[in-house]
Amino acid sequence: KQEVTQIPAALSVPEGENLVLNCSFTDSAIYNLQWFRQDPGKGLTSLLLIQSSQREQTSGRLNASLDKSSGRSTLYIAASQPGDSATYLCAVRRSNDYKLSFGAGTTVTVRA
Amino acid sequence: EPEVTQTPSHQVTQMGQEVILRCVPISNHLYFYWYRQILGQKVEFLVSFYNNEISEKSEIFDDQFSVERPDGSNFTLKIRSTKLEDSAMYFCASEKYQGTPGNTIYFGEGSWLTVV
Repeated sequence: KQEVTQIPAALSVPEGENLVLNCSFTDSAIYNLQWFRQDPGKGLTSLLLIQSSQREQTSGRLNASLDKSSGRSTLYIAASQPGDSATYLCAVRRSNDYKLSFGAGTTVTVRA
Repeated sequence: EPEVTQTPSHQVTQMGQEVILRCVPISNHLYFYWYRQILGQKVEFLVSFYNNEISEKSEIFDDQFSVERPDGSNFTLKIRSTKLEDSAMYFCASEKYQGTPGNTIYFGEGSWLTVV
């Protein structure tokens, strides 16, 4: 069974600081990994998708890395803004069944 | 940008009642999902659906749950006899299928179900 862990559970930073969010998974036989953003009481917004053959993906201020062999992914958010305040979820897709296994998320607060 | 839409956004129902949650996936997507998130817990997989049949389901998806694609645009989740523990946010999701799953999965805004 795939277990996905996100550390830290919560993070508070001043505006402008870079954010580093960690995700680890127990089964390295993955198809891909997807990072999502969730605002309180809202749906999941896809941020980045990294295929198992890739080492990183970038979109604007966001950069996600993947080290499949060690079961880790990191999401970097550069120059954080108050609008980045949300919960960030990591979800891993296994090679043999395709469903997403989610972490519990990291709740980020960016202070103005 | 195309999006997955879900209705209703909120529903309160009596225990034992039937509930239907509706979803309109992105129009050229072929793989559909339901996930749920109990308050304070992880998002968890319920069921995936492709080519008018269930392709995979979790142990949560027992006989009281069913899914249907009644027409070319809607995808529904039915809970036959709701229990208190069914209270959760239910997310519909869809994916563009290109031979194998593995593309970005897009989620809707969710339907918040409260069973009283």
